Amino acid sequence: DIQMTQSPSSVSASVGDRVTITCRASQGISNRLAWYHQKAGKAPKLLIYAASSLQTGVPSRFSGSGSGTDFTLTINNLQPEDFATYYCQQANTFPWSFGQGTKLEIK
Amino acid sequence: QITLKESGPTLVKPTQTLTLTCTVSGFSVGSRGVGVGWIRQPPGKALEWLALIYWDDDKRYSPSLKGRLTITKDTSKNQVVLTISNMGPVDTATYYCAHTPISTNWFVPWGQGTLVTVSS
Repeated sequence: DIQMTQSPSSVSASVGDRVTITCRASQGISNRLAWYHQKAGKAPKLLIYAASSLQTGVPSRFSGSGSGTDFTLTINNLQPEDFATYYCQQANTFPWSFGQGTKLEIK
Repeated sequence: QITLKESGPTLVKPTQTLTLTCTVSGFSVGSRGVGVGWIRQPPGKALEWLALIYWDDDKRYSPSLKGRLTITKDTSKNQVVLTISNMGPVDTATYYCAHTPISTNWFVPWGQGTLVTVSS
């Protein structure tokens, strides 16, 4: 099974900051990676798919990059609504798997 | 507009079998290319992928649940059903269903989720 490891587990930042979250796969997954964010008590929502493609309706301050085993999610100009938990997910090989999550908190 | 909604018991006893239903609208679970998956999230913990069924009845399961999972679909009702046998306290979680077309394999959108507690 492919293990997805996110870092950091939590990060504190201020409105207007830039934040980068990384996700590492235990084996190569090409670009078969998605990023979701989840606000407390709500279902996750797709932000980025195929490692770097922005889902329709998602602000352009979100961007993704990477291929193979190492991926990053970057959020520029943090907005109050961005403070949430972020998850990566690989869909290259069954069983699909998620990272353990990165909680983005207000500093 | 695609929507999904989970339904089922909120409380089950240890050793019982859980049956959850995902009722979808805006697409047909029998349409070519369509997939519906189940994901769960224990309180305060990460997401865990459980199972997936495609329009052609291809089914995939998480091996970590060791044969306890069964996923089926009812095209006439436009529903996907997940059963988990031999429930235990560690299965307490919010259970989500989500749409995943085979062309992309990403979960979008998700249902609102349903919290299931396992307790005697």
